[in-house]
Amino acid sequence: QSVLTQPPSASGTPGQRVTISCSGSTSNIGSHTVNWYQQVPGRAPKLLIYQNNQRPSGVPDRFSDSRSGTSASLAISGLQSEDEADYYCAAWDDSLNGVVFGGGTKLTVL
Amino acid sequence: EVQIVESGGGLVQPGGSLRLSCGITGFTFRDYWMTWVRQAPGKGLEWVAIINQDVTSIHYVDSVRGRFTISRDNRKNSLYLQMNSLRAEDTAVYYCAKVGYFDYNFDYWGQGTLVTVSS
Repeated sequence: QSVLTQPPSASGTPGQRVTISCSGSTSNIGSHTVNWYQQVPGRAPKLLIYQNNQRPSGVPDRFSDSRSGTSASLAISGLQSEDEADYYCAAWDDSLNGVVFGGGTKLTVL
Repeated sequence: EVQIVESGGGLVQPGGSLRLSCGITGFTFRDYWMTWVRQAPGKGLEWVAIINQDVTSIHYVDSVRGRFTISRDNRKNSLYLQMNSLRAEDTAVYYCAKVGYFDYNFDYWGQGTLVTVSS
């Protein structure tokens, strides 16, 4: 049981917009920024979004995030086949004194 | 170019020990927090431990506290994870990652090293 809650799966067709939710509490998402990671099967995770919708170099602006209270969402617009991967949210948790991850969402591009 | 390379994984019996190493190039190692994250086979990511630049701040996930020790050598640009009293549930790919400047984001990751705990 992960501290941050994500749907186990999501899907969309090419060109569509999909969102992935991440629900937490006041000690994590409510107090700290949410970071999002993308992991293609068999590969190491990659930082996708950080510090309130900032993207590392090379990450397209099709990826964006938002936060409200103790929840956050990752949005992917103009879905492409290469976006098929697992997506994880993460944040520092003041009660646990550590980083907590969501359980991950497997995105399928139909 | 940032490069992070883990080593030291392998097969170990329950109750045994293993020391993971992580070599870093491409950034000033001593200026950054570093962390370990693991992923059990077919499962999600789990944060394990984190250490600051001068080893004055260290934190662990509850499941490894007292058994694992994170350390670093800033002269050798290296991060370590000493794992003792290993259990079957510690079986995972262990990733070493650099912590960025912003609220504990992990901006560069190694390729991971597999630890298998089994008799």
